[in-house]
Amino acid sequence: NAGVTQTPKFQVLKTGQSMTLQCAQDMNHNSMYWYRQDPGMGLRLIYYSASEGTTDKGEVPNGYNVSRLNKREFSLRLESAAPSQTSVYFCASSLRGAPGNTIYFGEGSWLTVV
Amino acid sequence: KQEVTQIPAALSVPEGENLVLNCSFTDSAIYNLQWFRQDPGKGLTSLLLIQSSQREQTSGRLNASLDKSSGRSTLYIAASQPGDSATYLCAPAILNAGNMLTFGGGTRLMVKP
Repeated sequence: NAGVTQTPKFQVLKTGQSMTLQCAQDMNHNSMYWYRQDPGMGLRLIYYSASEGTTDKGEVPNGYNVSRLNKREFSLRLESAAPSQTSVYFCASSLRGAPGNTIYFGEGSWLTVV
Repeated sequence: KQEVTQIPAALSVPEGENLVLNCSFTDSAIYNLQWFRQDPGKGLTSLLLIQSSQREQTSGRLNASLDKSSGRSTLYIAASQPGDSATYLCAPAILNAGNMLTFGGGTRLMVKP
């Protein structure tokens, strides 16, 4: 019963390096999300994909790009990592839009940019 | 912009106590509100979802109430157990804000045996 799976779990990057966080869900959900969680700031939405083929900016999209590869997979890319992007990243999914449906989260990816 | 406050930020209680976690939000035009649980080093698990037309929702020892007009929700945990120790977050959703849930900072609960 995998649910939402994200990789890697931990990553250390140097400033300026690029990387992609991968996310896959096996619940046949239409909507997928990327959040970041920072102490004192709570969880904030970076990007979301309401359905396959669409993506939209959330509250804090700067410095990130996303790709909805297919219905199952939604990746988050940092093109040129900055120390301000040190955070815990969560991928999530829901059957349809989050306001109307329960949202399911992955286990998180801990990213440190030095 | 919706702002969500959770009080208290941390709570420590002995096992068996009934307790109440509070959530307040500034924009009462919400579509629904979800309560989540987060264990250390883990993702969030949805506990309860209350639609804006509902007053409360129950699941086992958990009861969540919603007073939309006053911008408040409470999560009541009956007969607390050490396994309830976690951080609890509330997240109201505004329909016209796309798919954005606005999360509170959470209440970190410790239930001591």
